[in-house]
Amino acid sequence: ETGVTQSPTHLIKTRGQQVTLRCSSQSGHNTVSWYQQALGQGPQFIFQYYREEENGRGNFPPRFSGLQFPNYSSELNVNALELDDSALYLCASTPPSGSFLDTQYFGPGTRLTVL
Amino acid sequence: GIQVEQSPPDLILQEGANSTLRCNFSDSVNNLQWFHQNPWGQLINLFYIPSGTKQNGRLSATTVATERYSLLYISSSQTTDSGVYFCAVRSGNTPLVFGKGTRLSVIA
Repeated sequence: ETGVTQSPTHLIKTRGQQVTLRCSSQSGHNTVSWYQQALGQGPQFIFQYYREEENGRGNFPPRFSGLQFPNYSSELNVNALELDDSALYLCASTPPSGSFLDTQYFGPGTRLTVL
Repeated sequence: GIQVEQSPPDLILQEGANSTLRCNFSDSVNNLQWFHQNPWGQLINLFYIPSGTKQNGRLSATTVATERYSLLYISSSQTTDSGVYFCAVRSGNTPLVFGKGTRLSVIA
């Protein structure tokens, strides 16, 4: 059984650019959540997808958007990058029985640097 | 929303020592997880423990839901235990909320 994977591992962009981060859920998991972790802080919830629909969103602007595909893989898109978007972006998947309520399993993260 | 406070923020231990990390939360919870984040950023599940006590090797955790706190015990610490330990909670049907973590350094 494979765990949660994310790509790329590192990324450098400049202000104003757009970025797409990718996540493959753990086998059999149909819910995926995305988190942003700034340096020295705990992860903050961005949004969650269940059966290809967004079903929860944290306090992030609309330029943060996502997709979930039929195979449960997911993308996080960020438009008009700002310096404060520099962070570690984490993807987590949840087993089929859950919604928000079950154990989440995290990927290794993508470290985004905005210059 | 629910608030999560972890203490201490930083902890330095000699290899072989024991430690207790604390997580206080401001509301009733239906999900509480402890994670270890290694130096490469990977968050590793340690315990799913909204109440009660669990043990896994040298680690154990206790959550007293009525008093709104959880404790993570690390015994006979090893250098590989170094990293940041996060407590994360959920109240109702809300997203997981993380504390700021406890940074543990174990010195040989």
